[in-house]
Amino acid sequence: GESVGLHLPTLSVQEGDNSIINCAYSNSASDYFIWYKQESGKGPQFIIDIRSNMDKRQGQRVTVLLNKTVKHLSLQIAATQPGDSAVYLCAENFGNEKLTFGTGTRLTIIP
Amino acid sequence: DAGITQSPRHKVTETGTPVTLRCHQTENHRYMYWYRQDPGHGLRLIHYSYGVKDTDKGEVSDGYSVSRSKTEDFLLTLESATSSQTSVYFCAISEEGLYFGPGTRLTVT
Repeated sequence: GESVGLHLPTLSVQEGDNSIINCAYSNSASDYFIWYKQESGKGPQFIIDIRSNMDKRQGQRVTVLLNKTVKHLSLQIAATQPGDSAVYLCAENFGNEKLTFGTGTRLTIIP
Repeated sequence: DAGITQSPRHKVTETGTPVTLRCHQTENHRYMYWYRQDPGHGLRLIHYSYGVKDTDKGEVSDGYSVSRSKTEDFLLTLESATSSQTSVYFCAISEEGLYFGPGTRLTVT
């Protein structure tokens, strides 16, 4: 979800378990949403996107769920691996070419 | 890989000096963006461009200017750097979502 102050929300998950990362978005007019993965020292990397006319979309080991009623987005990662450790960012777009980002959630995988 | 490079990758500069960061793309994308990333604030849009010589401000544009004289290059200039502009700067291009470059870590002392 969204961070409070300077600290990122954190999520620790056992290797092999499923992870669920949540995000509350701000604008009910947003029509496009993206999840990014950001590893230390690197730029954000596109994972998966979803448009507002959908409520679920699946990729390889990832699923994004969209609940427009409560303005909530989630990213599910199946069978997490050590390489999934990163900061995960959600972003929303409301009809222009600009994205607004949340501050991210840090996912740590416990071996 | 969206073919985006940024230069320099790291820079330390003194307060009051001008600084220019360069973003270069190889795939002829029309839209290009500059974001800054800071703890507690996430990624915030500084400026963006929707074509050669066509630019517009983002939410944190004060103290920054941009130029786009060629499709492939988008320059971000800090006319007189301040310590509050210490940050990591990311360039991005738009292709069904944003694709980001590797970032430039700028420190203003």
